[in-house]
Amino acid sequence: NAGVTQTPKFQVLKTGQSMTLQCAQDMNHNSMYWYRQDPGMGLRLIYYSASEGTTDKGEVPNGYNVSRLNKREFSLRLESAAPSQTSVYFCASTGTGSINEKLFFGSGTQLSVL
Amino acid sequence: GIQVEQSPPDLILQEGANSTLRCNFSDSVNNLQWFHQNPWGQLINLFYIPSGTKQNGRLSATTVATERYSLLYISSSQTTDSGVYFCAGREGAQKLVFGQGTRLTINP
Repeated sequence: NAGVTQTPKFQVLKTGQSMTLQCAQDMNHNSMYWYRQDPGMGLRLIYYSASEGTTDKGEVPNGYNVSRLNKREFSLRLESAAPSQTSVYFCASTGTGSINEKLFFGSGTQLSVL
Repeated sequence: GIQVEQSPPDLILQEGANSTLRCNFSDSVNNLQWFHQNPWGQLINLFYIPSGTKQNGRLSATTVATERYSLLYISSSQTTDSGVYFCAGREGAQKLVFGQGTRLTINP
């Protein structure tokens, strides 16, 4: 059981370039999330998808777009990367219902924008 | 939105010591969870504990929802316990709000 899988693990971009971070989960979870983690800032929610076909903004959505491609996959796109988007990005997922509310994280993507 | 405050921000202990990490919330939260981020950056869910007490080996957690706090206990610390511990609570339908974390260093 792979859990939550993110690709790539590392990426270096130049300012203005675009890229898509991929995320897939095999736990049949309804809800998926994208977080960024910056030193001293903890984990901040970028976007989330409560179920297939829906997406909502989190705390820091500016400069990002998301696509919930199907129940398994949730991608994060940077259309025109900026140095302020240098961060570690985590994808996560949860089921629904109180027993299934545990949040599971992927291994993260370390992104540097030069 | 809710504020999540963790204490202490940093904790340095010798192997074998016990520790208590605290998480305070500014308002009522649901779905209180504790996570461990190891030195390699991996985030592991330790406990889902909206109320009451749970134990898993040397780790246990207690949430007193009516008083808006949760505690994580680590007994007989090992060097592999080092890392950052985060708590998070749910605000509204789907948003988990994270604390700033407690950095735990266990020296051999």
